[in-house]
Amino acid sequence: DIQMTQSPSSLSASVGDRVTITCRASQNSGTSLNWYQQKSGQAPKVLIYAGSNLKSGVPSRFSGSGSGTDFTLTISSLQPEDFATYYCQQSYGNPWTFGQGTKVEIK
Amino acid sequence: EVQLLESGGGLVQPGGSLRLSCAASAFNVNNYAMAWVRQAPGKGLEWVSSFFPSGNTVYTDAVKGRFTISRDNSKNMLYLQMNSLRAEDTALYYCAKYGSGTFIYYLDHWGQGTLVTVSS
Repeated sequence: DIQMTQSPSSLSASVGDRVTITCRASQNSGTSLNWYQQKSGQAPKVLIYAGSNLKSGVPSRFSGSGSGTDFTLTISSLQPEDFATYYCQQSYGNPWTFGQGTKVEIK
Repeated sequence: EVQLLESGGGLVQPGGSLRLSCAASAFNVNNYAMAWVRQAPGKGLEWVSSFFPSGNTVYTDAVKGRFTISRDNSKNMLYLQMNSLRAEDTALYYCAKYGSGTFIYYLDHWGQGTLVTVSS
């Protein structure tokens, strides 16, 4: 199985900050990497798919990059509605696996 | 608007069975791959199973031989039959639809989940 490791596990940031979350795969995952946002009590929502494709309707302050084993989710200017937990997920091989999550909290 | 509505969760004893249902609207389940993803209380996400338009199914090792995913095209429903339930199967179970794209796989719509609790 491909193991996904996110860092950091949590972070505190202020509105307007640039935030970067990294995800490392235990083996090559091409660009088959997706990012989801989950707010408390809600279902996850896809933000970025296939490494760098912004899902329609998602604000452009979110961006994804990377390939192979190293991937990054960047929020260019953190907004109040962005405080949530973020998960990476590889779809390169079965079983699909998720990272452990990164909780973004208000500083 | 695409909607997914799960049902069928509840409290069950270890070794028991449950069938989860997912009612889809605004699209045909036979045209898209579908998945079940679970989240144990306070924990992260775990993919459980997928059903593809071809009829192929895949499972995570932890549920192989105990869970069965199926689809009813006439009712536009997805199911997850769960047998031999264990305490570690306790979780919120989400039904989700795959996004569109050739060789691009992600989950673009999710239901709100149904809670399964396995306890004596």
